Amino acid sequence: GDSVTQTEGLVTLTEGLPVMLNCTYQTIYSNPFLFWYVQHLNESPRLLLKSFTDNKRTEHQGFHATLHKSSSSFHLQKSSAQLSDSALYYCALSAYQGGRALIFGTGTTVSVSP
Amino acid sequence: EAAVTQSPRNKVAVTGGKVTLSCNQTNNHNNMYWYRQDTGHGLRLIHYSYGAGSTEKGDIPDGYKASRPSQENFSLILELATPSQTSVYFCASGDAGPGTEVFFGKGTRLTVV
Repeated sequence: GDSVTQTEGLVTLTEGLPVMLNCTYQTIYSNPFLFWYVQHLNESPRLLLKSFTDNKRTEHQGFHATLHKSSSSFHLQKSSAQLSDSALYYCALSAYQGGRALIFGTGTTVSVSP
Repeated sequence: EAAVTQSPRNKVAVTGGKVTLSCNQTNNHNNMYWYRQDTGHGLRLIHYSYGAGSTEKGDIPDGYKASRPSQENFSLILELATPSQTSVYFCASGDAGPGTEVFFGKGTRLTVV
């Protein structure tokens, strides 16, 4: 079945440094949607960005990601981390044409320190 | 902004008891979902619904039932609660279609003792 893999459970970094969170996926469907959701402490997950188009960069709130179907990847990047970026980040996949629910990865916690 | 309201926000239940978690959305979304969130497992899909009267099994449906009596309401039912069901439960809603945004409620923290 469909699946999403996030290899890092925890990423710790210093404010101002770049951050990259890995996301790879598996699906038999040729036109998947990929999402990044962010969840701050004591809040609910909310959409950060999404993509459907192969090899096109998508940006929002300083973050960017590019869907690469050739490698089944959708890594999230930011050039300069801020303290407010500390949160739990989920990569998610929607592939079934009938609109089945999102499949989430296990999540990556990002901790940014001064 | 889509509104998804969950109740209760916190619940302590006894092993073997019945627990009902409620969810209401006011955005006329067709699809509604129940996820549980556990460290190391992320968000896992329990049940979902495409509209009033429909429920579908997600990836971890064992021990859970769901009910969608109307477009707005979607309940998750634990007939015989067990300590392994201690978790944070999120309800979410969204329009039909694979690329649409899903909106989450604030979550219910359930502890089964």
